[in-house]
Amino acid sequence: QMRLEEPGPGLVKPSGTLSLSCSVSGESTSTSYYWSWIRQPPGKGLEWIASVYYSGSTYYNSSLESRVSISLDTSKTQFSLRLQLTSMTATDTAVYYCARTNGYDAFDLWGPGTMVTVSS
Amino acid sequence: EIVLTQSPDTLSLSPGGSATLSCRASQGVSSSYLTWYQQRLGQAPRLLIYGAYRRAAGVPDRFSGSGSGTDFTLTISRLEPEDFAMYYCQVYVISAGFTFGPGTKVDIK
Repeated sequence: QMRLEEPGPGLVKPSGTLSLSCSVSGESTSTSYYWSWIRQPPGKGLEWIASVYYSGSTYYNSSLESRVSISLDTSKTQFSLRLQLTSMTATDTAVYYCARTNGYDAFDLWGPGTMVTVSS
Repeated sequence: EIVLTQSPDTLSLSPGGSATLSCRASQGVSSSYLTWYQQRLGQAPRLLIYGAYRRAAGVPDRFSGSGSGTDFTLTISRLEPEDFAMYYCQVYVISAGFTFGPGTKVDIK
């Protein structure tokens, strides 16, 4: 069974850059899916950040597009999903989730999430 | 931009009862891309319903989805203790990406 895990730095300084990696394991990957990042500020709702296809095509939330980059690292047997978010502020404090996205554009498998706090 | 409105904000019910959750879109959306998630406290969201009415693997049949156009409904019958949680609807629109509703909390009365 496929599993996603997204260990994170925990703390990022204001104006710094968040770099997250989501490892995907458990079964062979399939091009039937694509991959996404979603975040959730403490006590608030869910916000989609970005998605990436195997082809390398990327899609971003327009409100974050100028600061975010998503990519896939398929060079190893166990591939990983990456996120970079620049110019971090307190409003970027959130739990960050990676998720597998199916053909109905639904997030059908989620990692446990990693809490990222922006603070000096 | 597409906006999803969920109602009510909170639904207080007893175990064994039924819940009806509403998700309304600011413009018509394809039912193929309307999704419902459950999020228990301290956990990641879990896919419940996709394509408006298709139950995800392992989801009990007491969960059902319906609707089309701008109005969608998640119905939970015979509420179990583990069903008391937050529920989010989400839609994908090619011009706007993914949008989530603000959520409905189902709590124990």
